[in-house]
Amino acid sequence: GDSVTQMEGPVTLSEEAFLTINCTYTATGYPSLFWYVQYPGEGLQLLLKATKADDKGSNKGFEATYRKETTSFHLEKGSVQVSDSAVYFCALSEGNFNKFYFGSGTKLNVKP
Amino acid sequence: DVKVTQSSRYLVKRTGEKVFLECVQDMDHENMFWYRQDPGLGLRLIYFSYDVKMKEKGDIPEGYSVSREKKERFSLILESASTNQTSMYLCASSLNNLAGGGQFFGPGTRLTVL
Repeated sequence: GDSVTQMEGPVTLSEEAFLTINCTYTATGYPSLFWYVQYPGEGLQLLLKATKADDKGSNKGFEATYRKETTSFHLEKGSVQVSDSAVYFCALSEGNFNKFYFGSGTKLNVKP
Repeated sequence: DVKVTQSSRYLVKRTGEKVFLECVQDMDHENMFWYRQDPGLGLRLIYFSYDVKMKEKGDIPEGYSVSREKKERFSLILESASTNQTSMYLCASSLNNLAGGGQFFGPGTRLTVL
């Protein structure tokens, strides 16, 4: 069945460091891929998405490229800020009804 | 902006009580979902609904039921609450068309069962 695997956290970085959070997926067809962010005490917010191979999603300085050959959708940011501290979830959607499969989440701590 | 609201942010109930969690969305979305979120396990789908009065089991439906009498409202029911149902519950909604931006989430209800 469909599934998403993302790197274990927590990830701790200093402000202005480069961020990579790895995400790989297993799917039977051609899924759409998403990154969501959850700030403390809040629900999940869509950060970026890509709907087909080689698409790059981007938002707020974050980027991720849909790599079909490696079944990956790694999240990157060139220079993180303290305000980026949150939990990040990779997800895929395939098939009817917009059903999603989420990774287990990666907590990011950014220190000043 | 899409808004998904949940009836309570925090809820404390006793074992054996019947518990209702309510979710309302205001953007005419066809699909609605209930997840529970637990540390280290990410989000797990309990039930979803793709139309009024229609429902489908997710990955962990045991101990839960749902109701969707109106398009904008999706209720999660714990028939007899147990301590292992202590969790964060998240509601989400979406269009069928993924160009609509994926799933939109409510703020969550943190349920504690004593």
